Formats: sequence, C-alpha cells, structure tokens
Amino acid sequence: SQKIEQNSEALNIQEGKTATLTCNYTNYSPAYLQWYRQDPGRGPVFLLLIRENEKEKRKERLKVTFDTTLKQSLFHITASQPADSATYLCALALGGDDKIIFGKGTRLHILP
Amino acid sequence: GAGVSQSPSNKVTEKGKDVELRCDPISGHTALYWYRQSLGQGLEFLIYFQGNSAPDKSGLPSDRFSAERTGGSVSTLTIQRTQQEDSAVYLCASSFGKNIQYFGAGTRLSVL
Repeated sequence: SQKIEQNSEALNIQEGKTATLTCNYTNYSPAYLQWYRQDPGRGPVFLLLIRENEKEKRKERLKVTFDTTLKQSLFHITASQPADSATYLCALALGGDDKIIFGKGTRLHILP
Repeated sequence: GAGVSQSPSNKVTEKGKDVELRCDPISGHTALYWYRQSLGQGLEFLIYFQGNSAPDKSGLPSDRFSAERTGGSVSTLTIQRTQQEDSAVYLCASSFGKNIQYFGAGTRLSVL
C-alpha cells in the first residue's frame, strides 16, 4: 500500500534561514501532492498543490518541488519567521477516486 | 456557511455512552472525510464519502464506529459504547473531487 514519510517529527530553524521539509512516498507516483499547515487546536489549512508533471511551485515565501524519480517532495520556507512555526503535513492523491493520504507531519519551530 | 462546520466543538461523555458528531461540509463539495487526531499525533483516516459511491470505511477502527452522509451533504459520525481510547479530536474535511481539502475546527471528544 502507499506510504508517506515526513523527514522528522520536529525541526528547529533560526529565524531568517530557509526551512526545508521532506516528504517521501513509496510505490505509485501520485497524481499530485499537497502541503498543509496545522496550528495547535485547529484543522489543517491548505498551502500548495503540485502536480506530477510540475517540477516546482511557488507562493510568496513558499516553494514546493516534486521529484517523481526520487519519489520525494521538498517544502521550503524562505526568510523564515517565528509565525511560520506550526506542523506541516504533506498529502498525496493517486488517481481515480482513491482517497487522499496524509503524512504524520513535521513540527517546525522557528527560533527568534 | 463559508467553511466546514463541526458540532459540537467539545464533547465530554462517560465510558459506554454513544456519541454523535456532526459535520456540515461546504455546499457543493462532493467529497467528505473524517479523521481522528490524538494529541501530538498525525491524522488518522476514518472514512471517506465521494459523491454517490459507496463510502470507503477502511479506516474505521472498530464496528463501534459508523458514519453516514445524508443527501450528499451533512455527515454524522457515531461512536457507540465509547471507550477512553476514543478520546481525540475528530476532524471533518470536504473537497470538490480530490482537490483541496477544507477542514473544520474539529470536535474534541473526552471519554471519562
């Protein structure tokens, strides 16, 4: 069955640096990957979607890459700020009517 | 409403009682998901409704859990004979097809 792994449970980054989070998957290449942000006590909020035929997607300080050869997506936050501290989840969708699958998430702490 | 609405926001119940959790998805969204999230953990998939197709119930942890979606809109997750290990936040999400998921704020269930 499809499996998603996010690189670490927690990541500490100094303010102003670039934070890079990793999402690896096994088996079949998904039709697309999504990244979500979750703050404590709240539901996840969608950030970015990248399709299998796209290499890179940007939105303000966020950048997502998708490497189907490595079976990996990288999520970058440039010029990180303490307000970026949250849990970030990657999710993938295969095709057809299969459900979306979430990774366990990475807790990101931006240190002032 | 503008977003996914879940009720109640908090529910405290005694072990052995039945509980019903409600989810009002965004109007027009064809897909509806239920997840469970224990403290500090990732999202645990429970059940997925997609249009008029039979629901994917593969994530339900036991036969004490059931869900229905009436008229392709409102969904109710029912937990019978609650146990202490059922204590968690139950999140609902809706989407159009398999695209972006919009999450509710969740129902925090505490089983005493």
